[in-house]
Amino acid sequence: NAGVTQTPKFQVLKTGQSMTLQCAQDMNHNSMYWYRQDPGMGLRLIYYSASEGTTDKGEVPNGYNVSRLNKREFSLRLESAAPSQTSVYFCASSSRAGSFEQYFGPGTRLTVT
Amino acid sequence: GQQLNQSPQSMFIQEGEDVSMNCTSSSIFNTWLWYKQDPGEGPVLLIALYKAGELTSNGRLTAQFGITRKDSFLNISASIPSDVGIYFCAGQNYGGSQGNLIFGKGTKLSVKP
Repeated sequence: NAGVTQTPKFQVLKTGQSMTLQCAQDMNHNSMYWYRQDPGMGLRLIYYSASEGTTDKGEVPNGYNVSRLNKREFSLRLESAAPSQTSVYFCASSSRAGSFEQYFGPGTRLTVT
Repeated sequence: GQQLNQSPQSMFIQEGEDVSMNCTSSSIFNTWLWYKQDPGEGPVLLIALYKAGELTSNGRLTAQFGITRKDSFLNISASIPSDVGIYFCAGQNYGGSQGNLIFGKGTKLSVKP
């Protein structure tokens, strides 16, 4: 039981390049989330998916898109990376939309030059 | 947007000392959670609180849901070196989207030189 897994662990992009961050969970959770973590800023919600087939914007959605591929997988796409998107990205899941106990993956460290 | 004020921002501990940190909000929360993050890892859930006045323990950790619903406290008794890390509070407030948490900026625990 791996919990929440994320790939890649590290990534360097040039400004304007695109990439997709992958996230998968094996806990049969319904809800999944993408956060970014910047120094001194805590965790900020980018997008979430309350259940398979639904996605909604969080606090900082600009410059990102998401896809809830199936119950297990939730991907985050940067269409045209900008230096302001340099951050650590965390995926999380919870058993249901009303459960606030979220479980996090190990993170993807992204640098945009 | 909604903010949580977490204090102190950082603190140094000596093995065996008790540690206290807290989190406050300007609005009422109906859930408080405490997470710990080790360097290079994702946050790990320590304690979840769902009722005003609730006091919950997890080993040497004790957390309380403030009676006003606007604050929460985390205490660590008899600290050990592996307690070092960043501790985050997170809350969900009335009227917030189901399952969406707001995070504090963290309290960084380091070992006294």
